[in-house]
Amino acid sequence: AQRVTQPEKLLSVFKGAPVELKCNYSYSGSPELFWYVQYSRQRLQLLLRHISRESIKGFTADLNKGETSFHLKKPFAQEEDSAMYYCALRGAGFQKLVFGTGTRLLVSP
Amino acid sequence: DAGVIQSPRHEVTEMGQEVTLRCKPISGHNSLFWYRQTMMRGLELLIYFNNNVPIDDSGMPEDRFSAKMPNASFSTLKIQPSEPRDSAVYFCASNEGGSYNEQFFGPGTRLTVL
Repeated sequence: AQRVTQPEKLLSVFKGAPVELKCNYSYSGSPELFWYVQYSRQRLQLLLRHISRESIKGFTADLNKGETSFHLKKPFAQEEDSAMYYCALRGAGFQKLVFGTGTRLLVSP
Repeated sequence: DAGVIQSPRHEVTEMGQEVTLRCKPISGHNSLFWYRQTMMRGLELLIYFNNNVPIDDSGMPEDRFSAKMPNASFSTLKIQPSEPRDSAVYFCASNEGGSYNEQFFGPGTRLTVL
């Protein structure tokens, strides 16, 4: 079975503080992991995917197969990072995405 | 391109009524996905289509839910009869198909069943 767990419903930090949004997954094969973001009154959009190994808006995420994790990190949070973040998994050869329940990030000034 | 288009954006109805949600995928995309978003369960895939054919409807919660894609540019999600627990935001997404292409999401339809 494919499962994604985001243990925190809400993460509240101050501007300039480091941020880590946790994501753990369960999948027996080789997964593809994603982070999607939904800013207020905007569409859900792809933030980054593990195969790209890139930094988007200062965010990075490393796939740790040993710990089955794909945590999203940013060293210095900005107010504009406030949004809903979803971790998602796609199994090899599958099209469907399995999402976690999401974490709301609130960055205060 | 306006992206994925969904209508209506908001729907308020009474329990027992039929509800139809509509989606227009991005032109040229041959895969279409319907999701439901709730506070408790997050985003759940309900059903998806490839080339207008339903591929996986295992996420459809009950027989009250049905989805169709009569052509490449239009899909509907119907709930009949609707119940208060169906209240959620329903998203449609599309992509070019294949395992590695990004899904593009619509703005969602917020459904409230009284």
